[in-house]
Amino acid sequence: AQSVTQPDIHITVSEGASLELRCNYSYGATPYLFWYVQSPGQGLQLLLKYFSGDTLVQGIKGFEAEFKRSQSSFNLRKPSVHWSDAAEYFCAVGVQEYGNKLVFGAGTILRVKS
Amino acid sequence: GAVVSQHPSRVICKSGTSVKIECRSLDFQATTMFWYRQFPKQSLMLMATSNEGSKATYEQGVEKDKFLINHASLTLSTLTVTSAHPEDSSFYICSANGGGTGELFFGEGSRLTVL
Repeated sequence: AQSVTQPDIHITVSEGASLELRCNYSYGATPYLFWYVQSPGQGLQLLLKYFSGDTLVQGIKGFEAEFKRSQSSFNLRKPSVHWSDAAEYFCAVGVQEYGNKLVFGAGTILRVKS
Repeated sequence: GAVVSQHPSRVICKSGTSVKIECRSLDFQATTMFWYRQFPKQSLMLMATSNEGSKATYEQGVEKDKFLINHASLTLSTLTVTSAHPEDSSFYICSANGGGTGELFFGEGSRLTVL
């Protein structure tokens, strides 16, 4: 069965520091991979997605992610974190045979200290 | 980008009553919409796939008679929580495929509190 693992439940970084959020997936075929961000009490906003092609994808708000097939990973990075980045981040894999049905990871809560 | 809207954003109801949540695709047609449920401090769990003009497909463990889904048009899917109980209190989020791009657009979510 498809699954997504985000090993870090909470991460705290200082404002201006770099960030990496980890994501590993289990899926038999070539995955569609996504990162979403959720602010408290709100819906999800897509940060970036990978379908094919260049394995380093750029997203909104200065985020990027790299797809590494050999490691089944799709880690999210940002070179310099801003206080407004504090939120919960979800990695997800799209199950192709069901169209865009997504399987989500458990999420990583990012705290930014000034 | 494509917009998905949910209504109401918050609803409080008494135990035993039914609550309807609407999910609309505002600027595109969606033959398929997805309903997710999010428990506090947890991830999103897919409840069901809503198909326009046909029956919804429910995930294992989701009660079909408790969570009624209707997808009567290409821009509207509704989730009705019937005979709601406090354990149904949750954050419900819908999503729709924005024009076959493989990208899902999410609604703002609806927070249900059952007293």
